[in-house]
Amino acid sequence: EVQLVESGGGLVQPGGSLKLSCAASGFTFSYYDMLWVRQAPGKGLEWVSGISTAGDTRYPGSVKGRFTISRDNANNSLFLQMNSLRAEDTAVYYCARLVGVVARPYGVDVWGQGTTVTVS
Amino acid sequence: QSVLTQPPSVSAAPGQKVTISCSGSSSNIGKSFVSWYQQLPGIAPKLLIFENDKRPSGIPDRFSASKSGTSATLGITGLQTGDEADYYCGTWDSSLSAVVFGGGTELTVL
Repeated sequence: EVQLVESGGGLVQPGGSLKLSCAASGFTFSYYDMLWVRQAPGKGLEWVSGISTAGDTRYPGSVKGRFTISRDNANNSLFLQMNSLRAEDTAVYYCARLVGVVARPYGVDVWGQGTTVTVS
Repeated sequence: QSVLTQPPSVSAAPGQKVTISCSGSSSNIGKSFVSWYQQLPGIAPKLLIFENDKRPSGIPDRFSASKSGTSATLGITGLQTGDEADYYCGTWDSSLSAVVFGGGTELTVL
């Protein structure tokens, strides 16, 4: 079964740091570009970061310089290091598998269950 | 304010058809593939449509989508109460160099 399982969420003070992890199983992780997408309480989906199979990374302006996405293909894992956290970073964070590449996505076909980050 | 514009809500009776629009620009929908997602309350999003109009395996043909110019449309026929959810469109924006989503549309099946 294709699966993504996030962990590492929790409560953190403003200015603090947190590292999220995503364990992938059931598919060849190294073959896919991956994303982190978040959803603030009662709000819509917001793309947070993307990483290619080769390790190239992309970020929106809202998190650039504060968040770092990385991957460990040997251990089928995706990470999101979040620094200088703000109240507006409070959200459910989803790990997601991309069909296509980050700059030409066909769609996001696999989503994790999400992990909650609260900055307060 | 989302780059892609969706109506906040739509509604229709069971068995009827509904369409959800997603309006963008030449820097996003106009030059990139559109995908659509269904999010049931409290659950992660689910891919309904990829590459503008293709359904993943397991998605019933009651769900369809199209793209024209800088807009895209999701259609759902034979509405069921289980279709009540939030629906999002998504694509790549070349000006922003970002994956972008619409603000979401809440579907109510009356």
